[in-house]
This record gives sequence, C-alpha cells and structure tokens, in this order.
Amino acid sequence: AQKITQTQPGMFVQEKEAVTLDCTYDTSDQSYGLFWYKQPSSGEMIFLIYQGSYDEQNATEGRYSLNFQKARKSANLVISASQLGDSAMYFCAMREGQAGAQKLVFGQGTRLTINP
Amino acid sequence: AAGVIQSPRHLIKEKRETATLKCYPIPRHDTVYWYQQGPGQDPQFLISFYEKMQSDKGSIPDRFSAQQFSDYHSELNMSSLELGDSALYFCASRGAPRYEQFFGPGTRLTVL
Repeated sequence: AQKITQTQPGMFVQEKEAVTLDCTYDTSDQSYGLFWYKQPSSGEMIFLIYQGSYDEQNATEGRYSLNFQKARKSANLVISASQLGDSAMYFCAMREGQAGAQKLVFGQGTRLTINP
Repeated sequence: AAGVIQSPRHLIKEKRETATLKCYPIPRHDTVYWYQQGPGQDPQFLISFYEKMQSDKGSIPDRFSAQQFSDYHSELNMSSLELGDSALYFCASRGAPRYEQFFGPGTRLTVL
C-alpha cells in the first residue's frame, strides 16, 4: 500500500502567489517524521523542511512551511510568495524503520511550474 | 557548509560491466543511505550503514553490494550491469540525533 500519496502530478502557479502542495501519509507508528525535498531539473535533491510527529508547532523554514494535520494524516507544503526558481519537482517523504536506520519512503512527486 | 560528495557524477557502462560509486558523507554524520531513482520515478531506498555496519536493506539486487569504510565514506559496487540499472544514484547522510537526510548531487549511470 502506498504510504505517501501526492495527488497533484502537476501544478501551475503565477509568480508571487502562494502555493500548497498536498501530501497524505499512512503509518501505524506513533513516532514518525515527514520531509519535503525539491528536485530541480538539474537533478539534485534539496532538503526543504522536516516535521516530527511529536512536534507541537508546524515547521517553518523561510518561505516554506509545513501544514501538519495529524488527525487527517496530512503534511502539506506551503510556499509563500512563489518565485520562478521554485519551478521543480517536489517530493514528500516519511522516515520509517528502526533507530539507526530510518530510511525515507517517497511519494510520487508534484511538478510545480511558476509562470511569470 | 560541507555537503555530501559523490563521484563520479556521470558514468557510462556497457551491459555486464561493473561500476563503483563513491560517497563521502558530511563530516561527523554517522549514517549513510543509498537510493536509486529511475527516470520519472521517486527515489527508492537501496541500503544504509550506521557507524560502518549495515543497518537496513531495501530493494537492492544481489548483483549490488555496498560497504562503509573506517573514514565513513561508502562505496556501492554494481556488477553484471543491466540496461534497467540506468538511473540516478543518490547517497545521503544523517547525523544523529537529527533526522534530516542530506543528499549528494547524485551519480547518473547509463548502461548501454
């Protein structure tokens, strides 16, 4: 069963608008964490933000914030004031496994295009 | 800040050849992960090492092996290469107790 679901294969947004990328997850663990990564066309995987399941506050990193709704099992990424350089593939991921391992399981990704 | 280093960045091999990918984690990071990303796919976990011991294993073919050395760098050895092995191979590192994994730039392997 898919553990991370990103239902938006592609999104088109006007520059300077805010954008929300959806991510839902499935786990029976009490302790888990959600990540967002950005992958530009050049191919590298850039870490954006992390949210732990026990964190009481939603994570924020500059223009990125994570809208964590534990009861709904969602961890949406919000990008404020989008820029042309935000055009990329975005992956939601969840860590799973025992301590010392904690591999990442990724969703299918959302391709974001920012229009001028 | 220092990042994860991977070499080579690009590699072209023929079918049935072997390949060795190298990864140098961020200093003082104790865990290394290898992921494979096929064209248009999300990254898939292959194998991980914690303090130089294998800590987890994913969908890694028996033709592949990996190890982590005393200086914490890691190598992924791939033998009897197949066309389907063509992919972007990422190494990532993590420093406990934090959970964030930082990825290297990747090695793009093309098997002809």
